[in-house]
Amino acid sequence: DTEVTQTPKHLVMGMTNKKSLKCEQHMGHRAMYWYKQKAKKPPELMFVYSYEKLSINESVPSRFSPECPNSSLLNLHLHALQPEDSALYLCASSREGLGVQYFGPGTRLTVL
Amino acid sequence: GEDVEQSLFLSVREGDSSVINCTYTDSSSTYLYWYKQEPGAGLQLLTYIFSNMDMKQDQRLTVLLNKKDKHLSLRIADTQTGDSAIYFCAESRENGGFKTIFGAGTRLFVKA
Repeated sequence: DTEVTQTPKHLVMGMTNKKSLKCEQHMGHRAMYWYKQKAKKPPELMFVYSYEKLSINESVPSRFSPECPNSSLLNLHLHALQPEDSALYLCASSREGLGVQYFGPGTRLTVL
Repeated sequence: GEDVEQSLFLSVREGDSSVINCTYTDSSSTYLYWYKQEPGAGLQLLTYIFSNMDMKQDQRLTVLLNKKDKHLSLRIADTQTGDSAIYFCAESRENGGFKTIFGAGTRLFVKA
């Protein structure tokens, strides 16, 4: 099973809202990733967790707050977003840091 | 520097072979990947090749790696309309930590 699941599939939020994106994998992978993808562009790395510790933060604004409650779950908490944050947010996981990454289906986020 | 380049668009007739090309700059690349992304979906791992291999075949897919020229290609035999998607070439390396470098993506259009 190489499945990464993400909820919700779609999310519309206002600039004053607080929401969370969720990602789950049961492959025993120890590295999990958040990417942001704008239309017709490749994914851009936002955060990496390795063994439930934040390893990489690619200078992402603080209105995005990641959390890794356990080795199977990854959350992205959203607060006071801007319309330009509208994008497809992809979660991925890999067995370790250097390893094949498996992606989830993404959450399509629209900020009004 | 870190660079993965691919042509942006390819159009083929149904039943023909498609060849999508990619060049990369870092000779220490360890893994090279091909991902497929259909509209509104996440990235699907199609295949990957280790840098110590020259070729990998998986059903209709053939990956060729020319390390000397830092050139990677994906051949899809008997291309079907369901193969229409964006194909991303990507690479990661042992000293690159958790980062995977993506190309801009090649949009494959299959004409019936």
